[in-house]
Amino acid sequence: EADIYQTPRYLVIGTGKKITLECSQTMGHDKMYWYQQDPGMELHLIHYSYGVNSTEKGDLSSESTVSRIRTEHFPLTLESARPSHTSQYLCASLNREGMNTEAFFGQGTRLTVV
Amino acid sequence: QKEVEQDPGPLSVPEGAIVSLNCTYSNSAFQYFMWYRQYSRKGPELLMYTYSSGNKEDGRFTAQVDKSSKYISLFIRDSQPSDSATYLCAMGYSSASKIIFGSGTRLSIRP
Repeated sequence: EADIYQTPRYLVIGTGKKITLECSQTMGHDKMYWYQQDPGMELHLIHYSYGVNSTEKGDLSSESTVSRIRTEHFPLTLESARPSHTSQYLCASLNREGMNTEAFFGQGTRLTVV
Repeated sequence: QKEVEQDPGPLSVPEGAIVSLNCTYSNSAFQYFMWYRQYSRKGPELLMYTYSSGNKEDGRFTAQVDKSSKYISLFIRDSQPSDSATYLCAMGYSSASKIIFGSGTRLSIRP
């Protein structure tokens, strides 16, 4: 069973608020990812990290930032939330051993900005 | 052109049918290939992964990779209503960390 956790599961906030979505994994994986997914739509990569102190922007500019101070923790911050940020945010970590690669996903944070 | 193309469906088949889900890709640098299943309002869960061309079987699921054609497939035998979900293909490079997902195919199995 994958040990990757996201909090909160659901969040409703007002426009202009600063929020941080938490993601933690206890598997020691170096590679972690944040995706944004609207209902019934495809996954869009927002940010990813190769390891501690390494972060990269993905394909979708979501006006968010990430940090990777510890291997197990990869929080996503929205400095000023807007209704267009309403979506589901999924965190994942990647394990690669030899020829086997697996990506594990958290249960997601469903964000609504009003 | 998207790096990974996947027919979004929806695909509806009767219970017990064999289902074939497919993705094509354009970048020959992809080295490993994965299939995920995502139920409504849930995160994707890994179904199968493979590193090489050929077939890999796990119970009712078979993943097939044809690197020469840049084409991957997931076959589901004896499909069940519980298989109704969105299926996403994903692929990655051997040395980089980025993984690319297809847009997902919505599958519905009719009882």
